[in-house]
Amino acid sequence: TQLLEQSPQFLSIQEGENLTVYCNSSSVFSSLQWYRQEPGEGPVLLVTVVTGGEVKKLKRLTFQFGDARKDSSLHITAAQPGDTGLYLCAGAISTGGGADGLTFGKGTHLIIQP
Amino acid sequence: KAGVTQTPRYLIKTRGQQVTLSCSPISGHRSVSWYQQTPGQGLQFLFEYFSETQRNKGNFPGRFSGRQFSNSRSEMNVSTLELGDSALYLCASSRAQGARYNEKLFFGSGTQLSVL
Repeated sequence: TQLLEQSPQFLSIQEGENLTVYCNSSSVFSSLQWYRQEPGEGPVLLVTVVTGGEVKKLKRLTFQFGDARKDSSLHITAAQPGDTGLYLCAGAISTGGGADGLTFGKGTHLIIQP
Repeated sequence: KAGVTQTPRYLIKTRGQQVTLSCSPISGHRSVSWYQQTPGQGLQFLFEYFSETQRNKGNFPGRFSGRQFSNSRSEMNVSTLELGDSALYLCASSRAQGARYNEKLFFGSGTQLSVL
């Protein structure tokens, strides 16, 4: 059972369009992170959201953490070819005592065509 | 400031062999976490080391082990390799214990392991 479900799994759109990627779970997370990974490289952290209902903006990217801290979304405005990559959400579940590893979704493969 | 360095970048082994992967964290970072990435399962947490001690372990068999040295460098070992161990192995470093404390993780480029 995948704790974090990401949708869509694949997305190919034209440059200039808007898109939203979703990350959903039945579990509550103490925090949620979004990463972007390019071929042959490790994931690079884009943002961390901690508070339910929190919205963070990073240029054309808008990240939202659900009120119940079970879900998150990433919205990209006016997508550009440089946005192409694998977008991963990852949540931290605090089960008490010691550090817990991040739980990752399987990712959304995003292709922005010129 | 140098990033996280993983060696080797590519590795080909046969079933039954063992392998050791290396990770050098960013200078000053004391925590190293290891993840396995496959197309089918995505990224899965293996374990985390902080101050030379394993702090948490994911749901992987005992064939997967690791250690951390006093300079924070970490190694991961997989014994008795199986075909299903073929994956990209990523390590990530952070200043302190990572996920639970919302520490920023910095990933290396990974070691691509192929088991034939």
